[in-house]
Amino acid sequence: NAGVTQTPKFQVLKTGQSMTLQCAQDMNHEYMSWYRQDPGMGLRLIHYSVGAGITDQGEVPNGYNVSRSTTEDFPLRLLSAAPSQTSVYFCASSSRQGRQPQHFGDGTRLSIL
Amino acid sequence: AQRVTQPEKLLSVFKGAPVELKCNYSYSGSPELFWYVQYSRQRLQLLLRHISRESIKGFTADLNKGETSFHLKKPFAQEEDSAMYYCALHTGNQFYFGTGTSLTVIP
Repeated sequence: NAGVTQTPKFQVLKTGQSMTLQCAQDMNHEYMSWYRQDPGMGLRLIHYSVGAGITDQGEVPNGYNVSRSTTEDFPLRLLSAAPSQTSVYFCASSSRQGRQPQHFGDGTRLSIL
Repeated sequence: AQRVTQPEKLLSVFKGAPVELKCNYSYSGSPELFWYVQYSRQRLQLLLRHISRESIKGFTADLNKGETSFHLKKPFAQEEDSAMYYCALHTGNQFYFGTGTSLTVIP
């Protein structure tokens, strides 16, 4: 049972490049979410989804897009990377629309030059 | 607005000493509160939630609605408790995390 799997673990991008951070879970959880973790800021919610075909914005959505075509996958897209998006990104999932505790992935460390 | 405040970024205690990690929240409704922990090189994981009113690894946390607090306590700290601790508030479909407290237990 892999739980929540994030790829890649590390990535370096140049300003203006685009990329997709992948997140997959095998627990049949309805709720999935993306956070960024920055020093002194804790974890901040970027986007979340309560089920396939449904997404919504969190606290810091600007510069990021998401989609949820299947229950298992919830990719996060950076359309035009900026240095301010340098961060560690965590994906999480839970059942019951997030009311149950969240299961986190290992994180993706992203650097934008 | 919903907010979670953890006033201590760093906390050091000696092994065997009591430890308290503070968490205050701002929310007008009935809160759902959690403590998450991240040990070195491990995933962020749930430590406990206020609904369960349980003790995990010797830690407890009591919700005080009057003081809007959810402090995490352990009577005797162990070296393996050294980690990053996050308090989190769940409302609607969103989680709000505090900025975290890095706990170091000194042998």
